[in-house]
Amino acid sequence: DVKVTQSSRYLVKRTGEKVFLECVQDMDHENMFWYRQDPGLGLRLIYFSYDVKMKEKGDIPEGYSVSREKKERFSLILESASTNQTSMYLCASSSRDRVYEQYFGPGTRLTVT
Amino acid sequence: AQTVTQSQPEMSVQEAETVTLSCTYDTSENNYYLFWYKQPPSRQMILVIRQEAYKQQNATENRFSVNFQKAAKSFSLKISDSQLGDTAMYFCAFMIWGWNAGGTSYGKLTFGQGTILTVHP
Repeated sequence: DVKVTQSSRYLVKRTGEKVFLECVQDMDHENMFWYRQDPGLGLRLIYFSYDVKMKEKGDIPEGYSVSREKKERFSLILESASTNQTSMYLCASSSRDRVYEQYFGPGTRLTVT
Repeated sequence: AQTVTQSQPEMSVQEAETVTLSCTYDTSENNYYLFWYKQPPSRQMILVIRQEAYKQQNATENRFSVNFQKAAKSFSLKISDSQLGDTAMYFCAFMIWGWNAGGTSYGKLTFGQGTILTVHP
């Protein structure tokens, strides 16, 4: 069975903290994605990666960075968390041969106080 | 830039009845995919149905079917014989695919705002 896992379901952090959200997939997928989900806005793409150490900005990259040191793991980093980054974060992955099949993780609900 | 619009924030339906969720999109691309995703209260997003833009025939998956009107840029989802387990947030999404510098492909999804569907017993 295809699996995308995220390190935490719920996370509470303070303003100014450095936050790491981890995503792991076990399908040997080349492509990995980070989205944030907000009510009334749907999901918006933050960053994606198409290979190890490769990354590209999505639609809302400001305030975020990413790291992909291994094929199966894609990390989203909030360098200095702010309250407007309180959101649901979803990770997804796909293979280069079937780009139309993106598999999603369960999401991390991040609250920044 | 691509945009996807779902104009119905919330919908409700009685069990066993049929409901249609609306979606419109805007793009200048000719080749793309359209999707409906379901996100139940447990939050794991799952694919309901996919439509390739070059196919005229509407996609169907059991009780789920779409009405794809390419000229009108409309992509609605019909759920027949609604079940309690259909209660979820439904997202319409659009994908174009691209090629990176290394020559490999990826697909970028653009989502609509979502429609909360509640199925009543």
